[in-house]
Amino acid sequence: GAVVSQHPSRVICKSGTSVKIECRSLDFQATTMFWYRQFPKQSLMLMATSNEGSKATYEQGVEKDKFLINHASLTLSTLTVTSAHPEDSSFYICSASYGTGGLDEQFFGPGTRLTVL
Amino acid sequence: DAKTTQPNSMESNEEEPVHLPCNHSTISGTDYIHWYRQLPSQGPEYVIHGLTSNVNNRMASLAIAEDRKSSTLILHRATLRDAAVYYCILRDVGGSQGNLIFGKGTKLSVKP
Repeated sequence: GAVVSQHPSRVICKSGTSVKIECRSLDFQATTMFWYRQFPKQSLMLMATSNEGSKATYEQGVEKDKFLINHASLTLSTLTVTSAHPEDSSFYICSASYGTGGLDEQFFGPGTRLTVL
Repeated sequence: DAKTTQPNSMESNEEEPVHLPCNHSTISGTDYIHWYRQLPSQGPEYVIHGLTSNVNNRMASLAIAEDRKSSTLILHRATLRDAAVYYCILRDVGGSQGNLIFGKGTKLSVKP
């Protein structure tokens, strides 16, 4: 099956710093990539959707200036958490899909655990 | 996207079948029923999906009610590795970019 990787798997940073998380589709070209956030014992919440070469579409309540998403190629999307604060500590998961339609399977990365001190 | 309702948790014994129910009484004609599961500290993985007919694959079977207002994911022989949170999700085939909206899911525990 299709493989999606994330880097780093874990990151600890100080409050006020920025953190970049990479999401790569290793063996396919991902037209669309999604970013989710999951707090402990809660479900995944969609943060934003990005298509290669265009601006990301953010879900309501997600600050686009705080969570910068870049989808510069068909195999790489990055999420940058700017000026991170302890409340941004969470499990960040990306997924990628071949197409843009409602039936295209999403392949998920293993997640990145961010801890902001 | 239409909502789904699942039990918070279920228990099973190893090597026995497991039936995970999902109610989706407001499903529309263009909604597909998808199941994903998430093992602890990992990203979700696709399990199965269907529209009207029952579906089988190497991981599981999906039984869909005739009126499509409910469905059941069937694991034929549960193993310890099947312990995970199982999410039943409706996806509109014509929906915007195929977003997956995750509910709370069912946490499946498997006892040896």
